Amino acid sequence: DADVTQTPRNRITKTGKRIMLECSQTKGHDRMYWYRQDPGLGLRLIYYSFDVKDINKGEISDGYSVSRQAQAKFSLSLESAIPNQTALYFCATSDPRGYQETQYFGPGTRLLVL
Amino acid sequence: GEDVEQSLFLSVREGDSSVINCTYTDSSSTYLYWYKQEPGAGLQLLTYIFSNMDMKQDQRLTVLLNKKDKHLSLRIADTQTGDSAIYFCAESGNYGGATNKLIFGTGTLLAVQP
Repeated sequence: DADVTQTPRNRITKTGKRIMLECSQTKGHDRMYWYRQDPGLGLRLIYYSFDVKDINKGEISDGYSVSRQAQAKFSLSLESAIPNQTALYFCATSDPRGYQETQYFGPGTRLLVL
Repeated sequence: GEDVEQSLFLSVREGDSSVINCTYTDSSSTYLYWYKQEPGAGLQLLTYIFSNMDMKQDQRLTVLLNKKDKHLSLRIADTQTGDSAIYFCAESGNYGGATNKLIFGTGTLLAVQP
C-alpha cells in the first residue's frame, strides 16, 4: 500500500463550486504539505502543517483553506473554485533529521475547473 | 526572494550521459535535492547533497555542487529510456521562520531517444 494517498485522483468541477482534496499518510510523519504544479512553474507551496495544531500559509494560499484533522490527514479545500486553480495538486509529508528533510509525495490530484 | 532555476527540456540518446543543471539564489541553503517525477506519479527523492560537499556519487548518478556560483548539476551516466522523467532541483533553508522549507525549480523534462 502507498504511504501517501490522495483522493480523488482526478476531478472536474465548475466555477464557484466548493471542493475538497484529501490526503492520508501511513508514515507517521508530523509534517504535511500541499503543493500545486503548473506547467513551467514547478511546484508552489500552498499550505503546510508541522503538527496537528499548526497550520501555515505557503506562497500561494489565497483561494485555498486546509484542515489537519489528525496526524495522518490533511485536507485542502477550494471554497469557490475558479478556472486558474486548474492544476495538479500534490500532498507531501516529511520527518526532518536535523536540517536534512526528505519529502514524500502522494500521486497527485488532477483538477480541472470549467 | 529565493529562486531556483532550471532549463525546461533536455534530450539525449540512450547510452549517452545526461547533465541537468540548476542554479539557486540562497547561499544559506543547507541541503540541495534532486527529485524525479515519472509520468502520472508524484515526486520521488533521487539524491541530496549537503552544502559543505562538492560532489556526491551514487551508482549512475553524480551530483556536483559549486557553492561559489550557486550551481548544482545532476549527471546520469549511461542514460536509459527508463530515465525519461521530469527532474526537479530543490533547495532547503530557513525561510520566514519555517525551517527546512523546500523551494523547487521548474523541473527539467529529460527525453531519452532510443
